[in-house]
Amino acid sequence: EAGVAQSPRYKIIEKRQSVAFWCNPISGHATLYWYQQILGQGPKLLIQFQNNGVVDDSQLPKDRFSAERLKGVDSTLKIQPAKLEDSAVYLCASSLYYNEQFFGPGTRLTVL
Amino acid sequence: AQSVTQLGSHVSVSEGALVLLRCNYSSSVPPYLFWYVQYPNQGLQLLLKYTSAATLVKGINDFEAEFKKSETSFHLTKPSAHMSDAAEYFCAVLVSGGGADGLTFGKGTHLIIQP
Repeated sequence: EAGVAQSPRYKIIEKRQSVAFWCNPISGHATLYWYQQILGQGPKLLIQFQNNGVVDDSQLPKDRFSAERLKGVDSTLKIQPAKLEDSAVYLCASSLYYNEQFFGPGTRLTVL
Repeated sequence: AQSVTQLGSHVSVSEGALVLLRCNYSSSVPPYLFWYVQYPNQGLQLLLKYTSAATLVKGINDFEAEFKKSETSFHLTKPSAHMSDAAEYFCAVLVSGGGADGLTFGKGTHLIIQP
């Protein structure tokens, strides 16, 4: 069974530029999550989708971050414009049941 | 709101020694608890989970954890450390409600194995 796929693995941009990350969950997993992991900290939930609907986006900085999951499968997370403090690893996870999430390898973003 | 505290940002043990990583949680309702491991430049891998069944939970690679409600703890142990156990370990809590079931993570403990 293929795991959660994410791309790109690494991205370097300058502040005020825009960037997008892509995630393809495990086949059949209806729930998809985006987490932000800043260096030295644990992951923090940004947004949760159930199929193509948003369940929880209370911690998503909506002035600059957006996410979509149009067909209920893969998802895109966008940052526009990026700030220095957005440097982090962005992790995508998916689940079939609420009590087991499977994580992708992450996208490491560096904002200069 | 729930929270997780991991005591010790770094823990160092000798190869073959007992591993003990501490996790305390705060939750107003019975939680689900998890331990994840993260190797460099990789995502998180589930070690074990507590979902209100047995309080002693066994996971992969001989790791286990015991849920103690009275102490609000979920410490991770392994009888004998191996060099390959060197990694970052995260404790996480889930309080499911209204369909929102994102995990709340601790800050992590970096496990160092001395040869």
